[in-house]
Amino acid sequence: QVQLQESGPGLVKPSETLSLTCTVSGGSVSDSTYYWSWVRQPPGKGLEWIGHVSYSGGTNYNPSLKSRVTISVDTSKTQFSLKLSSVTAADTALYFCASAYYYAPHYLDSWGQGTLVAVSS
Amino acid sequence: DIQMTQSPSSLSASVGDRVTITCRASQPISSFLNWYQQKPGKAPKLLIYATSTLQSGVPSRFSGSGSGTDFTLTISSLQPEDFATYYCQQTYSFPWTFGQGTKVEIK
Repeated sequence: QVQLQESGPGLVKPSETLSLTCTVSGGSVSDSTYYWSWVRQPPGKGLEWIGHVSYSGGTNYNPSLKSRVTISVDTSKTQFSLKLSSVTAADTALYFCASAYYYAPHYLDSWGQGTLVAVSS
Repeated sequence: DIQMTQSPSSLSASVGDRVTITCRASQPISSFLNWYQQKPGKAPKLLIYATSTLQSGVPSRFSGSGSGTDFTLTISSLQPEDFATYYCQQTYSFPWTFGQGTKVEIK
């Protein structure tokens, strides 16, 4: 299994863009057997799937966030990233990156430790 | 979106107890149902995928069953390290959705 590590600012101002990066080790983002995924968890609440990107750049997003989210992959840096625009306090959450098996049945088998992002002025 | 509803939302149990958690989907999802365990401040951990397949390294006291809309996670003999929150997830269709979680606490 791959190892994943999130990085990025822990504080973002309202209306700005949240940007996070996930670095993959022990594997490659060019691996066609994975979707590279983002999941978030508001404090004290449950899990919400944000979306994912494949090795070729194809994406699927949660419709609840689709207008604001971009997930992309950088094969040269073995990283993938999340951008969420026009953030509000409701976007305050623990953000996880994860690998999802590409072929059905899909499942999230490796996770980063998570990074807490607060939206506040 | 497919809604996933877990029951109960929380339960209290003792070490050695048999524990069953139920997950119901708002529409049939075949066998595309996964279970995760999450401890406070930690990332979720995959326990079971495709309804009943145990992820490598997961103890055999965990098992899953079901099909269509109704699924269960069973812990045959609860151990101290099993006190955590458990989530089901469907990957039958996008967006992938999770249940609200079941918190298993010490009695």
